[in-house]
Amino acid sequence: EADIYQTPRYLVIGTGKKITLECSQTMGHDKMYWYQQDPGMELHLIHYSYGVNSTEKGDLSSESTVSRIRTEHFPLTLESARPSHTSQYLCASSGQGNEQFFGPGTRLTVL
Amino acid sequence: GQSLEQPSEVTAVEGAIVQINCTYQTSGFYGLSWYQQHDGGAPTFLSYNALDGLEETGRFSSFLSRSDSYGYLLLQELQMKDSASYFCAVRVDFNKFYFGSGTKLNVKP
Repeated sequence: EADIYQTPRYLVIGTGKKITLECSQTMGHDKMYWYQQDPGMELHLIHYSYGVNSTEKGDLSSESTVSRIRTEHFPLTLESARPSHTSQYLCASSGQGNEQFFGPGTRLTVL
Repeated sequence: GQSLEQPSEVTAVEGAIVQINCTYQTSGFYGLSWYQQHDGGAPTFLSYNALDGLEETGRFSSFLSRSDSYGYLLLQELQMKDSASYFCAVRVDFNKFYFGSGTKLNVKP
């Protein structure tokens, strides 16, 4: 059973606010990922990590940061939220296999 | 850059067979994955092909031809619950995946 959690599930926030989206997994997976997905569209890789203290940027990373201080925790921070950040954010993890396990997502609305 | 192409939408009737194609042009290639995503839900893993050929898992099969940069997902005995979006994803290196834009499958009674 895959256990990966994201909080909050829904967030409505004003422009310019700093926000942190939380992601935790209990599977001991080394690799973790953040994707952005607009409704009915493809997943865009924002950041990924292949272990503690390692993070790499994806294609949409310029306005966000991540950290990986513990294996199970991979938070995503937007320093200054903008309406263009309105989207769904999906966290995923994977171990030695080829499967990525996805969390339930955070639906973010920036007013 | 990375490019994955899938049809945007496919419609089929219950009990039928449907094939969803994926062609790709990527900087690296380790394998091709398929994911299912219901409206409002998270993607769930269906299959992974690293080598050429057909992999079968119940009603779902996935095929890969590395020389053609092409793969497909085959769904047999379609059920209403199969209505969802299906994404192909290429593993471009050990840690990184790129996803296609998804194919919305509509199953009609």
